[in-house]
Formats: sequence, structure tokens, C-alpha cells
Amino acid sequence: GESVGLHLPTLSVQEGDNSIINCAYSNSASDYFIWYKQESGKGPQFIIDIRSNMDKRQGQRVTVLLNKTVKHLSLQIAATQPGDSAVYFCAGREGSARQLTFGSGTQLTVLP
Amino acid sequence: EAGVAQSPRYKIIEKRQSVAFWCNPISGHATLYWYQQILGQGPKLLIQFQNNGVVDDSQLPKDRFSAERLKGVDSTLKIQPAKLEDSAVYLCASSLDQRGLPTDTQYFGPGTRLTVL
Repeated sequence: GESVGLHLPTLSVQEGDNSIINCAYSNSASDYFIWYKQESGKGPQFIIDIRSNMDKRQGQRVTVLLNKTVKHLSLQIAATQPGDSAVYFCAGREGSARQLTFGSGTQLTVLP
Repeated sequence: EAGVAQSPRYKIIEKRQSVAFWCNPISGHATLYWYQQILGQGPKLLIQFQNNGVVDDSQLPKDRFSAERLKGVDSTLKIQPAKLEDSAVYLCASSLDQRGLPTDTQYFGPGTRLTVL
């Protein structure tokens, strides 16, 4: 089966700095990954996704990098803002599986 | 566009009692999901509906949990009887495509926080 985890449970960054949130997965057959943002008291919100045939994908202020060799992906947030404070989850799909497996999340705190 | 609605937002019950959660997905969304999110963990899929049929309920503890989606719109999730370890946030999500693939964007509701004493 798939196992998806995150490297650090918490991360603090200064406002305006760049944030990097890491995620590792176990199954080399995993072919699709998503990053979600979950603010306190709310459900997860889609940020960006990436398929295994890509190494990098960019969105607005966010970039996801996928390293299939070491089974690692990261979410980079440029110019981190107070509104970015939330828990960030990566989720992955193994091959033909119908469901996503979520990691345990990283709490990002943006310091003034 | 209205998002996924869930009620109640909070529920406190004693163990061995019953509880039910309600979800109204985004209008027109064919696929509906129920997740359990224990504090400090990521969401875990309990059941997935395509219209009003069950696609995946492999992680649903069927001895105590049940779910239905009548008429392919609203859904209810029930726990009977509840255990202490059922304390969690129960999230409902929906996606547009009736294929319900992981690559379909899921839109989550705010969740129901259940505390079992």
C-alpha cells in the first residue's frame, strides 16, 4: 500500500520569506500527488497537484517539486504571508488506486 | 457557488450513544466522500459514493458506521454505538466527475467535530 508522510510536524517562517514543506512517500508506483491547505476549523483546500511524469509545477506563489528517485516532494511558498498559516498536507495515489492517502500534515506558522 | 455544507459543526456524546452527520455536496457533484480526521493526522477515507451507489467502503467500520446517499444528493453518516476512539472531525467532500477518480478536485466541507466522552 501507499504510505505518505511529512518530514516536520511544525515549521515557522518570517513573513516575506520563502517556505519549504517536505513530504516523503513509500510506493514507487505512486503517480499522482496533491497538496492541501487546512486552516483552523475548515476543511482541506486544494492548492496544487502534480503527476509523476513531471518534476515541477508552478502555481500562484507556490511550486511543487517531485523527486521520484528519492520518493520525495516539496511545496514551496514564495513570500510567505500571514494568511498562509495553516496545516499543509500532501496526499498521494498509488497506481490504479481509487483513493488518496494523506500524510500527517505540517503546521506552518508565519511570524510577523 | 455554495460550498459543501455539513451539520452539525460540533457534537458531544457519551460512549455507546448514536450520532448522525449530514452533508449537502456542491450542486451537480456526482461523487461524495466521507473522511475521518483524527487530531494531528491527515484525513482517512471512510466511504465514497458515485451518485447514490457505494464505490469504496473498505475502511468503513461497518459494525458501527453506516452511510447513505439517497437520491444521489445529500448524505448522512451514522455511528451506532460510538466509542471513545471515534472522537475526530468528520469531513465530507464532493467532486464533479462521476468517475470519482483521485485526480478529480475534491471540495471539502468544514467538518463536524465529534467528541465522545
